[in-house]
Amino acid sequence: DVKVTQSSRYLVKRTGEKVFLECVQDMDHENMFWYRQDPGLGLRLIYFSYDVKMKEKGDIPEGYSVSREKKERFSLILESASTNQTSMYLCASSPNLGGSYNEQFFGPGTRLTVL
Amino acid sequence: QKEVEQNSGPLSVPEGAIASLNCTYSDRVSQSFFWYRQYSGKSPELIMSIYSNGDKEDGRFTAQLNKASQYVSLLIRDSQPSDSATYLCAVLTSYGKLTFGQGTILTVHP
Repeated sequence: DVKVTQSSRYLVKRTGEKVFLECVQDMDHENMFWYRQDPGLGLRLIYFSYDVKMKEKGDIPEGYSVSREKKERFSLILESASTNQTSMYLCASSPNLGGSYNEQFFGPGTRLTVL
Repeated sequence: QKEVEQNSGPLSVPEGAIASLNCTYSDRVSQSFFWYRQYSGKSPELIMSIYSNGDKEDGRFTAQLNKASQYVSLLIRDSQPSDSATYLCAVLTSYGKLTFGQGTILTVHP
């Protein structure tokens, strides 16, 4: 089974803090994704990566950055946390088979509260 | 127009009935379609993927795809209370990303 793990299930930070959310997958997947999920807004893509050291902006990248130094690890960084970044953050990974992007598998999520 | 739209719900069905969840999408070149189930407080779990027109069955679940009508659906037969969850339709877009619908909340009552 694909396993995607996230460093924390719950996190509370203060406005202005730098926040790191870590995601690790153990299935040698090429693609990794970061989403946030908010009531009424659904799942929204923040950033994604198709390879080590490679990153692409998703639909809502403002206020976030990412890092992918190793294939299995994809980090989301909030440079200066703000209250409107309070949300559920979900990491996902998928294999890249024959040029098409296959099913995405999600980690358990990190519920971040910014005070 | 939203890229992926689901029937708004919430949907309530009695135990043992068929639950029908619907989804339309706007990108004609989309080739891959997915249904995820999400229990409250949990992350989405992939339950079905479909790539070709027609039906795909897996246990009590049947996914149906009609690319001409840009329509994908999920049928749950013999619905159980444990099927109560939010169901998310996702479409692989021409840019290689998944776009999700807003989700349909399903409640199966005994």
